Amino acid sequence: DAKTTQPNSMESNEEEPVHLPCNHSTISGTDYIHWYRQLPSQGPEYVIHGLTSNVNNRMASLAIAEDRKSSTLILHRATLRDAAVYYCILITSGTYKYIFGTGTRLKVLA
Amino acid sequence: EPEVTQTPSHQVTQMGQEVILRCVPISNHLYFYWYRQILGQKVEFLVSFYNNEISEKSEIFDDQFSVERPDGSNFTLKIRSTKLEDSAMYFCASSRSRDRGDIQYFGAGTRLSVL
Repeated sequence: DAKTTQPNSMESNEEEPVHLPCNHSTISGTDYIHWYRQLPSQGPEYVIHGLTSNVNNRMASLAIAEDRKSSTLILHRATLRDAAVYYCILITSGTYKYIFGTGTRLKVLA
Repeated sequence: EPEVTQTPSHQVTQMGQEVILRCVPISNHLYFYWYRQILGQKVEFLVSFYNNEISEKSEIFDDQFSVERPDGSNFTLKIRSTKLEDSAMYFCASSRSRDRGDIQYFGAGTRLSVL
């Protein structure tokens, strides 16, 4: 299973941008990069995903390195509601399962 | 926005008892999944299901576990004889396809407490 590495925790001030990094140096050419988050006492929630190009949606932006060995989830203006554990997951051909790591626990300071 | 619904939100059972956790996936989705999360630990894949068959399962999903889609809307996880270590949050998920660019939508979970 393709592996990802994320910092255990990060802090941000409310209303400021947050950049959450993920390393996936063993990514293969057809693996998709998905980001999910888990708010306290809830199920994982989809945030964004991409393959090669940078992606934007209403929740966040995803910046993918040119060699695809790393990616960064960008929350443009963190709110208290964004406090969660953020997971970077690689989706590999031939498998339907998500492999969750320990993720990054984001703390947002008022 | 459509959502995956799980019931009950909390299930308490005695060790050795059978439990059935229920899920209603999003209506036009064809692929269904169960995951579990022991308190303070990672979310772990249990099983995926498509066309009334298990597509993939993890080592955790042993003979004590089974899944079923008994009708057109429900998807269930049965644990035949619960153990203390089965205490966890169980999440159901569904997706439209198995395309790597598709999204799995998760329910809010069922907390299973085995006493």
